[in-house]
Amino acid sequence: GQNIDQPTEMTATEGAIVQINCTYQTSGFNGLFWYQQHAGEAPTFLSYNVLDGLEEKGRFSSFLSRSKGYSYLLLKELQMKDSASYLCAVTADRGSTLGRLYFGRGTQLTVWP
Amino acid sequence: SQTIHQWPATLVQPVGSPLSLECTVEGTSNPNLYWYRQAAGRGLQLLFYSVGIGQISSEVPQNLSASRPQDRQFILSSKKLLLSDSGFYLCAWSVSSGIRTYNEQFFGPGTRLTVL
Repeated sequence: GQNIDQPTEMTATEGAIVQINCTYQTSGFNGLFWYQQHAGEAPTFLSYNVLDGLEEKGRFSSFLSRSKGYSYLLLKELQMKDSASYLCAVTADRGSTLGRLYFGRGTQLTVWP
Repeated sequence: SQTIHQWPATLVQPVGSPLSLECTVEGTSNPNLYWYRQAAGRGLQLLFYSVGIGQISSEVPQNLSASRPQDRQFILSSKKLLLSDSGFYLCAWSVSSGIRTYNEQFFGPGTRLTVL
């Protein structure tokens, strides 16, 4: 099975930097996704990592260490609109075109002015 | 461009009543299709996935069933709803061609189901 852990809640102030961690245990690992989900809305794609290292995309960066089963999402220059739930998900269908995703429970980030 | 639709957006149903949620995808062919449920305070749980018409795989035993009568149509059903079926139901699709190096999933707007 898949086991994915991330903190339940985090808070930060506008303009700050926040790091959301995710640890996972899975077989057939084929990549890790980060999604953003605002309350009552569908998740939207933020990033994908399959190789070790840091992927940077504007204010958001995502890091992966496969040997440690660890990833983090780094949000810089926080804005009020960044208040949302951040979902870590792993795909474990190596060699398949299926791409099932297994999600963590999400980290609810609240950004204060 | 591809779009994904779900309806209804919200639904309130009594315990024991039937359920039918529909999801359709436009702008792509032979997508992988997925149904998820998100209960309050919990993560997204994969319920069903489909790689083609009539091909349904279930991830967890439950009170629900899924069907794919057409390439881009995915239906979630129940004959008798339980209180525990309440939640936010999300349909998603991904590319199945294998051309991409990863299969990002795109989510529909969701259906909020309340069973009373």
